[in-house]
Amino acid sequence: DAGITQSPRHKVTETGTPVTLRCHQTENHRYMYWYRQDPGHGLRLIHYSYGVKDTDKGEVSDGYSVSRSKTEDFLLTLESATSSQTSVYFCAISESRGGGYEQYFGPGTRLTVT
Amino acid sequence: SQQGEEDPQALSIQEGENATMNCSYKTSINNLQWYRQNSGRGLVHLILIRSNEREKHSGRLRVTLDTSKKSSSLLITASRAADTASYFCATDAFPNQFYFGTGTSLTVIP
Repeated sequence: DAGITQSPRHKVTETGTPVTLRCHQTENHRYMYWYRQDPGHGLRLIHYSYGVKDTDKGEVSDGYSVSRSKTEDFLLTLESATSSQTSVYFCAISESRGGGYEQYFGPGTRLTVT
Repeated sequence: SQQGEEDPQALSIQEGENATMNCSYKTSINNLQWYRQNSGRGLVHLILIRSNEREKHSGRLRVTLDTSKKSSSLLITASRAADTASYFCATDAFPNQFYFGTGTSLTVIP
């Protein structure tokens, strides 16, 4: 599992409240990612990081912000949660292997916004 | 979007049969990868094929890549009930930027 943990694993929150999800890795990987997974859409990239304090947007970044103040932690924040952000969120790292970069995923966080 | 599309969306076969699923993508790529996701879990990397390769094997998995058609196929031979999962292709046109397809849900009936 490449030493990736996510917290919390499940969360129910109300519309309009802020929510922060945490991804923690123990193997000093440079690249970290946040995806959301919804039925019919597969995995969609929200934000990614290529180093401490270095982040960039993915294809569905609206309504989300991220921070990476330490190599091992990548935080995803929903400033004001909406029902459309109900989803399963996955953190991932990438590692160079076999001539390319492969991704390794955390166990996921199931977020419900009521 | 570079997102790929898997075909079929769902596949149901008997144990011991072969399962084939396809992936189409939109832009030039460096590599194409296949991942498996068991229900309620994160994705697990299965195999990577580089853009200059046409076929690759790993155990019961065979992946082909046709860059002229922008398509790939994943073949699982002699399927087992434990192969029941969703399978996703992922492409990277740029290093460390990945785009996933919508997945094929495979059910292997014992």
